[in-house]
Formats: sequence, structure tokens, C-alpha cells
Amino acid sequence: GAGVSQSPSNKVTEKGKDVELRCDPISGHTALYWYRQSLGQGLEFLIYFQGNSAPDKSGLPSDRFSAERTGGSVSTLTIQRTQQEDSAVYLCASSLTQAGSYNEQFFGPGTRLTVL
Amino acid sequence: AQSVTQLDSHVSVSEGTPVLLRCNYSSSYSPSLFWYVQHPNKGLQLLLKYTSAATLVKGINGFEAEFKKSETSFHLTKPSAHMSDAAEYFCVLNQGGKLIFGQGTELSVKP
Repeated sequence: GAGVSQSPSNKVTEKGKDVELRCDPISGHTALYWYRQSLGQGLEFLIYFQGNSAPDKSGLPSDRFSAERTGGSVSTLTIQRTQQEDSAVYLCASSLTQAGSYNEQFFGPGTRLTVL
Repeated sequence: AQSVTQLDSHVSVSEGTPVLLRCNYSSSYSPSLFWYVQHPNKGLQLLLKYTSAATLVKGINGFEAEFKKSETSFHLTKPSAHMSDAAEYFCVLNQGGKLIFGQGTELSVKP
């Protein structure tokens, strides 16, 4: 079956512009996660959604970052007024449930964001 | 605070020799641990996971890991390296659904 897909695969933007990154999780997966992978910080958790519950936003680095998940499926991560330090690969993952500690998270290929 | 430390940023082995990638964790609770692999320009793939059912966990492609509570370790091993094993490996702690990643170990395999 189809895995997690993300678009665009690459995004180059100018400092100060807003960007939107999209994630399509595996069908039927109720939990969706965003992570960021950068040279200086490694892989960091950003936010996750579980069903209709309020999202856990504890990993968002600033209020310029936000995310939504429409209809319990597709998610969009928005970065406003981008800065050069936002340059990274943004990874999306999904899993069957969030509650179980052992549930595997399936990762998408990522969106590489470059802020000039 | 929960954390994961990968003790080597880079490991180089010859093809056919054993692989050892070291990971230590810190957790207040019974940990849920994973190893993921990331090949160049590819997504993260789960190698194996520790579920507390057994301390020796077998994964894909001949990899295995042993959970040692007394040493707070979860080292990844493989008896014989293959060229296709060259990749970056991440030891990961599951904190209530949020994954905490180690810094990664890049594995090089020499012919």
C-alpha cells in the first residue's frame, strides 16, 4: 500500500516568506507526527496529532510554526516569516495509534526546506 | 528527563566483519526503544523495537539489539556487515508517542 507522502520534496524560499509543507499519512493511521532534521540539532520532534484530540505542540520552536490536520487525514505545517535557521528537512510520520508505546511510526521522504 | 546517547558518530568496518553501534538511554520509566536506519536520500526505516517481551530483539537484515537495564544500553549488532548496510543509524526512545532521537551513527562499510 501507499506510504506516507510529503510535498513538495524540495522548497527554496527567501527569508521572511511564509511556507506550507504538506503530509499525507497512511490511510487509517490516526496519529500523525512532524519532526525536523537539521545538521546542528539532529532529529527533533515538533508536533503530533491523535484523532480529534488537541495536538501536542510542545516541540514547536517558536510561534512562527503552526500545523493543522484536516478531517483527521492530511496535515499542513506552516512556517511564517521564515528565517535561515529554519532550513532543514521536515519529516512527517504516521502510526496506527499514539497511545501504545510500541507502535511503529512510518516516515515520509521529507521536505527539504532551504531559506536564502 | 529522558534521553538517548549514541556513543559513536561514525563507525567504519570491513565487509564481512561484525558491526556494533552503541546506544545508552536515560528513562524514568520502562523504556520503549527502537533502532531506525536512514539510507542516503531515503526515508527512515524501522530496524527493530524493544517491547519488553524479550531482551534480545531481532530485526530486519540480520540486525539485532540487546536491552540491558543494568547498563541502560541498547546496542545494535550484526555478525557480518554488507556493503548495503552503509547508512545512518538512529537509536530512538519513545516518550509517550513522541520519539527522542540519538544524534545518529554513520556506518561505513569498506570492501
